Amino acid sequence: ILNVEQSPQSLHVQEGDSTNFTCSFPSSNFYALHWYRWETAKSPEALFVMTLNGDEKKKGRISATLNTKEGYSYLYIKGSQPEDSATYLCAFDSSGNAGNMLTFGGGTRLMVKP
Amino acid sequence: GAGVSQSPSNKVTEKGKDVELRCDPISGHTALYWYRQSLGQGLEFLIYFQGNSAPDKSGLPSDRFSAERTGGSVSTLTIQRTQQEDSAVYLCASSPGTGLNIQYFGAGTRLSVL
Repeated sequence: ILNVEQSPQSLHVQEGDSTNFTCSFPSSNFYALHWYRWETAKSPEALFVMTLNGDEKKKGRISATLNTKEGYSYLYIKGSQPEDSATYLCAFDSSGNAGNMLTFGGGTRLMVKP
Repeated sequence: GAGVSQSPSNKVTEKGKDVELRCDPISGHTALYWYRQSLGQGLEFLIYFQGNSAPDKSGLPSDRFSAERTGGSVSTLTIQRTQQEDSAVYLCASSPGTGLNIQYFGAGTRLSVL
């Protein structure tokens, strides 16, 4: 059983605050690390897929970093907005085989107050 | 449509009844996954299909749960003799089976067992 953990479980911030949360995963048999955003009543959507140690990805105000040697990834949101409120899921891919399973973390639920 | 489609979006049933949940993946995607999220829990893997291979059923919580995928496309998840602990959001995802294994999710079916 692969252990993928996310912290914190939930987070309340004020509009305009910057925030970050963590995904930890096994440091062996790493192939890729995915981040998804899941807004209430919508489908989870892929944000980033990272494969290389030291990778940094950015999409607007959201960015992510990856450390495969120590087994963690950080997701950062700069200047949070109410529309950023969602559950952020990370998922670990150990297989390298497209179409194989991902192991998801429990998610971080972010609530941004206007 | 272009995305993963799930039906029904909401289902309320009585304890002991059988339910069927449907997933229509993105056309051409060879891999199909079922997950569920119970209240306050993370995303729990249930079953996955890849091409013509035997499905990976390792996540099914009991023998009351079964799934099939007909013609490599539409999938049905069946829960027999539903129990209150089966109440959850059931998510389906598909992936192309090549490349970085990004999963594309449907909006889910919210199952409530009374």
